[in-house]
Amino acid sequence: EAQVTQNPRYLITVTGKKLTVTCSQNMNHEYMSWYRQDPGLGLRQIYYSMNVEVTDKGDVPEGYKVSRKEKRNFPLILESPSPNQTSLYFCASSPYRDRSYEQYFGPGTRLTVT
Amino acid sequence: GENVEQHPSTLSVQEGDSAVIKCTYSDSASNYFPWYKQELGKGPQLIIDIRSNVGEKKDQRIAVTLNKTAKHFSLHITETQPEDSAVYFCAASVSGGSYIPTFGRGTSLIVHP
Repeated sequence: EAQVTQNPRYLITVTGKKLTVTCSQNMNHEYMSWYRQDPGLGLRQIYYSMNVEVTDKGDVPEGYKVSRKEKRNFPLILESPSPNQTSLYFCASSPYRDRSYEQYFGPGTRLTVT
Repeated sequence: GENVEQHPSTLSVQEGDSAVIKCTYSDSASNYFPWYKQELGKGPQLIIDIRSNVGEKKDQRIAVTLNKTAKHFSLHITETQPEDSAVYFCAASVSGGSYIPTFGRGTSLIVHP
């Protein structure tokens, strides 16, 4: 089954404790990205990757890191989480069709930082 | 940068009625406009999209219209059903090259049986 998977689905942590949220897709998509979703703000892009070893900042990259060492994986790293990073996070992957990206989203990771 | 406004934030209809959600955008260079449906506890799912060289696109009960001059696009759902209840997001972006879509803030659609 073609899908985007994220782990963990739920995470409660404390301020300053490094964490990684994994994302994997099995559709051989070139493009992957991370979003955060906050009430009343919709979806905002954190980082994206056009292909292996190619990453770039989205609209809200502060406090986050990413890496793309393999095509299928795109982990999101919070080196020193803070309470304002409490949010619902989505990973997405996309093929490149007709000069546009049709995004396939993962199920989400709900992160709480206390 | 791009700014996308979406209205209404909440829409309540009776089963069988039509529902319309509207979005406006600011960047005239935007030329790709997808719509996503997000059910409770799930990630957004692409339901329909439109590109700037097309004025309207239909897929069964769902249609999207685009007015490039006025910089607005709309989602139309006919004969609504309870399973259409979800949050709907519009987005705007420039196709080709890097891709940073700008999303609207979402519309919570409630279809009453």
